[in-house]
Parts: sequence; structure tokens; C-alpha cells
Amino acid sequence: AQSVSQHNHHVILSEAASLELGCNYSYGGTVNLFWYVQYPGQHLQLLLKYFSGDPLVKGIKGFEAEFIKSKFSFNLRKPSVQWSDTAEYFCAVQGTYKYIFGTGTRLKVLA
Amino acid sequence: DTGVSQDPRHKITKRGQNVTFRCDPISEHNRLYWYRQTLGQGPEFLTYFQNEAQLEKSRLLSDRFSAERPKGSFSTLEIQRTEQGDSAMYLCASSFTTGGPEETQYFGPGTRLLVL
Repeated sequence: AQSVSQHNHHVILSEAASLELGCNYSYGGTVNLFWYVQYPGQHLQLLLKYFSGDPLVKGIKGFEAEFIKSKFSFNLRKPSVQWSDTAEYFCAVQGTYKYIFGTGTRLKVLA
Repeated sequence: DTGVSQDPRHKITKRGQNVTFRCDPISEHNRLYWYRQTLGQGPEFLTYFQNEAQLEKSRLLSDRFSAERPKGSFSTLEIQRTEQGDSAMYLCASSFTTGGPEETQYFGPGTRLLVL
């Protein structure tokens, strides 16, 4: 069955700490990979995406993610988080059309 | 604002009532998706349209649910005889695709439904 796992459900960091959120997927074919962010009271916004090519993709607000095909992973990273990064982060996999989302990771950054 | 819009943003209804939600996609986007999100979960696919054709429906979409996109622009999602288990956030997303493998979906703010 197709699935996406986000292992960290809640993460609390201090400002300037480094961030890595895990995302692993199960899908038997070529996929597109996405990270979306949902700030409090706002809708899902695209952080970054991977279709093909360089497995290290850069997104908005200093975020980046690395696709490791052999590990079926697409982890999200940011070298130094800010208080304004407090949000919920969703990893999503797309095969033919629909997205399959992970359960999300709630990140709280302490000022 | 040229993003995806949804109406209403919040809906409270009594069990057994019918409700209808509307989604206006980004102009020129030919695909439109509906997802449902419950607390502590990521969005789950319900159905999608390519222009006005409904091409796929999830098993989550019982017979009480119906979706339309009559002119290939806005879409409506109707829930008949609502149940408390229908309480969720209903998300709409749209995209433009020419059929190739690269497609990005843009999400609306959602309609939060509470069934009492």
C-alpha cells in the first residue's frame, strides 16, 4: 500500500537550532515529492518540491530537502530555525495524480 | 487574490442535514482536487476532476457525498444526511497540467465542518 511516514510528530527547538524532519514513503513507481507548511490559522503552502534531477532541492525561507531514492526518504532541513518557523509540516508523495500525505510534524520554535 | 478560494470557511450543522461547499480554483487550472483532513492527520484524497470530468473517487467518498465541476471551473462538494464522523476540514486544491509527470497542487484555506 502507498504510504508516507513522518516519524517526528512534535518537535521543539530553540531559535538558531538546526532542523531535520524525516519523511519516508512507500510507493512502487516514480514519484514527485513535496513539503508543505501550514502556519497557524493559514492554509497549506508549498515549501519545496522534487520532480527529477538534483536530489538536493532548495525551497523558500531557507529550507532544503534531499531525496535519497535508495532509502525512500525525502527529509527536510534548515540550518537555523526562527521563531516564525513554528508551524505544521507535511510531506507528500504524488504518483499519478493524487497526493498521499504524512500525518504531519508540529514544530515549535522557542524564542 | 488569485489563489484557491473556498466557501464557507466554517459550517456547523446538525446531524442529518445536507451541506454544500464551494471551491474556486486558480484561474486556468484544469485539475481540481478535494481532500479531507481530520485532527492529527494529513489530508486524505477524496476525488478529483480534470476539467469537468470526475476521474477518480476514493473509497472514503460514500454514497452520501457527491462532487461536481459543471463547467470545468468551480466545484461543489455536497454531503447528504451528515453524520458526526463527517466533521473535518475539507480542502480543495487545483493545478495545471498538460499530462506530463510534473504537477504542483495549490491548496485553498479549507472549509471546517462540525456536525452536532
